[in-house]
Amino acid sequence: RKEVEQDPGPFNVPEGATVAFNCTYSNSASQSFFWYRQDCRKEPKLLMSVYSSGNEDGRFTAQLNRASQYISLLIRDSKLSDSATYLCVVNRGGNQFYFGTGTSLTVIP
Amino acid sequence: GAVVSQHPSWVICKSGTSVKIECRSLDFQATTMFWYRQFPKQSLMLMATSNEGSKATYEQGVEKDKFLINHASLTLSTLTVTSAHPEDSSFYICSALTGTGGNPQHFGDGTRLSIL
Repeated sequence: RKEVEQDPGPFNVPEGATVAFNCTYSNSASQSFFWYRQDCRKEPKLLMSVYSSGNEDGRFTAQLNRASQYISLLIRDSKLSDSATYLCVVNRGGNQFYFGTGTSLTVIP
Repeated sequence: GAVVSQHPSWVICKSGTSVKIECRSLDFQATTMFWYRQFPKQSLMLMATSNEGSKATYEQGVEKDKFLINHASLTLSTLTVTSAHPEDSSFYICSALTGTGGNPQHFGDGTRLSIL
């Protein structure tokens, strides 16, 4: 079983829609969780860390469910500029980071 | 904060050439740096993890004599692709980490390597 599993999509949503991505992880000892976005032919950029109590940054909300071992990212009021690949990253401690394969989002006018 | 600079951003060279890529953390000290490569429409693939002052740890299947990593200081790591061939053409990305694993990695802007 993969350390981190992510639905690759693609998700095609109209502008203004709300979209949610989930990412499951296999190791219950995982400690830290992050969401990155990667634009085509660019490097990943940190979108937000995911905290146990859940956290919000503008239109973006991240949540962690340790019992079910998944993290989620919710994007409200989607903009065209949100089109990208969203990567979840899980840290098991120390230098052990595991990446999801990424979920492709296209926001359509 | 947490800016990572990677240079060069684009390299085109002949087969057999060795290419050096630099990764610098500009405003923080990176205890660990990671090197990845990514082929089109594929996921990031970790090549190696390097800690300042010690030898890099390479992932299975990555030739350490082919991909030389030097992490000479807390702000600089270099990856040298020796005797590059067309199959080495890829997008190489470094990332830097400060402190413990509770912190996120910060990525350089990548180097697109094309070997003719």
